[in-house]
Amino acid sequence: GNSVTQMEGPVTLSEEAFLTINCTYTATGYPSLFWYVQYPGEGLQLLLKATKADDKGSNKGFEATYRKETTSFHLEKGSVQVSDSAVYFCALRKAAGNKLTFGGGTRVLVKP
Amino acid sequence: EAGVVQSPRYKIIEKKQPVAFWCNPISGHNTLYWYRQNLGQGPELLIRYENEEAVDDSQLPKDRFSAERLKGVDSTLKIQPAELGDSAVYLCASSFRTSGSIETQYFGPGTRLLVL
Repeated sequence: GNSVTQMEGPVTLSEEAFLTINCTYTATGYPSLFWYVQYPGEGLQLLLKATKADDKGSNKGFEATYRKETTSFHLEKGSVQVSDSAVYFCALRKAAGNKLTFGGGTRVLVKP
Repeated sequence: EAGVVQSPRYKIIEKKQPVAFWCNPISGHNTLYWYRQNLGQGPELLIRYENEEAVDDSQLPKDRFSAERLKGVDSTLKIQPAELGDSAVYLCASSFRTSGSIETQYFGPGTRLLVL
């Protein structure tokens, strides 16, 4: 079946540090890939997505590239801020309207 | 535009009691999802509706869980009777699905359930 594996947290960084959260997936065919973010006390929000191999999703300074050859979709940000402290979820979806399959989430804490 | 609305935000009940969660999706969204998120884990789908039809309920524990989406708008998820292991956050999401598109699912804030 489909599955998503992402690095366990918590990840603790200083402000302006470089952030990488690893995400790999297992799925047949060509799933769409997503990163969702959950800020404290809030619901899940879509951060970025990529729908085919070599696509790069980007938003709010975050980027992730769909790598079919390594079945990966790592999230990166060059300079994090305290406001980026949240839980980040990698997810895949096989077809339009279908369910999202999530990874376990990675908690990121950015200290001033 | 208003987002996905869920109520209540928090619920504490004793085991064996019934509980119900309500979701109002974004206006015009034809697809509605209920997910369960256990502590420290990612959400897992319980049921998906397209309009008023449940098209994927394979992960819904049907012995104690039920859901409905009358008129294809609001939805209710019920647990009866609740067990200790049902303590989790129940998330509702909605999307507007069109043929061939990869639509975005929008999530509500969730209902945090604690079963004592």
